[in-house]
Amino acid sequence: QVQLQGSGPGLVKPSETLSLTCTVSGGSISDFYWSWVRQPPGKGLEWIGCIHNGGSTKYNPSLKSRVTMSIDASKNQFSLRLNSVTAADAAVYYCANSDLGAVLVQTGDRYYYYYVDVWDKGTAVTVSS
Amino acid sequence: QSVLTQPPSVSAAPGQKVTISCSGSSSNIENNFVSWYQQLPGTAPKLLIYENNKRPSGIPDRFSGSKSGTSATLGITGLQTGDEGDYYCGTWDSSLSGGVFGGGTKLTVL
Repeated sequence: QVQLQGSGPGLVKPSETLSLTCTVSGGSISDFYWSWVRQPPGKGLEWIGCIHNGGSTKYNPSLKSRVTMSIDASKNQFSLRLNSVTAADAAVYYCANSDLGAVLVQTGDRYYYYYVDVWDKGTAVTVSS
Repeated sequence: QSVLTQPPSVSAAPGQKVTISCSGSSSNIENNFVSWYQQLPGTAPKLLIYENNKRPSGIPDRFSGSKSGTSATLGITGLQTGDEGDYYCGTWDSSLSGGVFGGGTKLTVL
């Protein structure tokens, strides 16, 4: 069973870059998509994006200009960078194992499946000077 | 404002059944698969249902999922006090080319 451990600074100054890393154990980072999801205090889940070791990345359009995701397969780690942070970026950040793909249905249409399977415990990030 | 719409809260008595709805559009729920997540107080979300109605190993059959058109539903039978928490639907949005979640529904077991 895959296990995930997120790490990174709990405090980031406004306008600076938030950097988080997630270490994968119990499985290979070459498999699956790896996702980041955040949850502002008292609010719901927000999808940030996902990355596959094969090079595919998908980002939330509302964050795309500020987000970069990467994988270091040699360390079985994947990372998130979010630049120019503001108070609105304060949240618990979850890294997760996920699956993304498409299947052809009877009508000939392509249906996508995406789900987040294993989550880490979350890293709380505060944005303050 | 979430792309997927869920009721803010639902409640039912122990032992009863409850359903949670998730409403979307043709670019997400209608033409893609839906997943459901349970978030108990102070914990990370947990996958309950994937691909509309499949349960991961270890998830009891008290939890079920269904989909019709642009809406999906999570059903929970035999409610227990330990089921209290927040429930989220999620799916892929083909127009956004990204994942989307509902705003969440708080379940109270009276």
